[in-house]
Amino acid sequence: KQEVTQIPAALSVPEGENLVLNCSFTDSAIYNLQWFRQDPGKGLTSLLLIQSSQREQTSGRLNASLDKSSGRSTLYIAASQPGDSATYLCAVLRTQGGSEKLVFGKGTKLTVNP
Amino acid sequence: ETGVTQTPRHLVMGMTNKKSLKCEQHLGHNAMYWYKQSAKKPLELMFVYSLEERVENNSVPSRFSPECPNSSHLFLHLHTLQPEDSALYLCASSQQGRVHTEAFFGQGTRLTVV
Repeated sequence: KQEVTQIPAALSVPEGENLVLNCSFTDSAIYNLQWFRQDPGKGLTSLLLIQSSQREQTSGRLNASLDKSSGRSTLYIAASQPGDSATYLCAVLRTQGGSEKLVFGKGTKLTVNP
Repeated sequence: ETGVTQTPRHLVMGMTNKKSLKCEQHLGHNAMYWYKQSAKKPLELMFVYSLEERVENNSVPSRFSPECPNSSHLFLHLHTLQPEDSALYLCASSQQGRVHTEAFFGQGTRLTVV
């Protein structure tokens, strides 16, 4: 059974810092990995999608890497801002039980202090 | 605007009530999902519909009944719920098959069972 782990569970940093969020998964047979952002009480916003054949994706101040063989992904946020405060979720897409599904980690709650 | 719309945004219902959650996607995707998000737990997949056929029922109690009348609409019918069913219910859509796209989520329905 696929398990996804995110470390740390919570992170508090001063504005302007560069930071790294970690995601690990137990089964490397994935189609892709997706990073999401969730604000309190809201839905999920897709940030970056990395296909299983790719090593990284970039969008603005965000950079996500994928090492499928070791079961790891990182989300790098450059020059953090208070508006980046949210919970960041990692999810892997795989076939399980005959259907494709996203398996999520518990998330990392990020607070960026002004 | 994420392309996935959920209604209502908030719902309070008694344990003897019957209500329905609605989800609509305008992205041309062929798969739709219901997820449950409870406090301090990872997102839990409830149901998957692919090409309007239910392909996953993740051991969900029968008091939750999904319906997918076409590829753009998904419902979750609720009856005789329990207080522990209070949670954020999220709908998502994606393209399954040869090409695996990003999953897009709605803003969720915050359900409170009293």
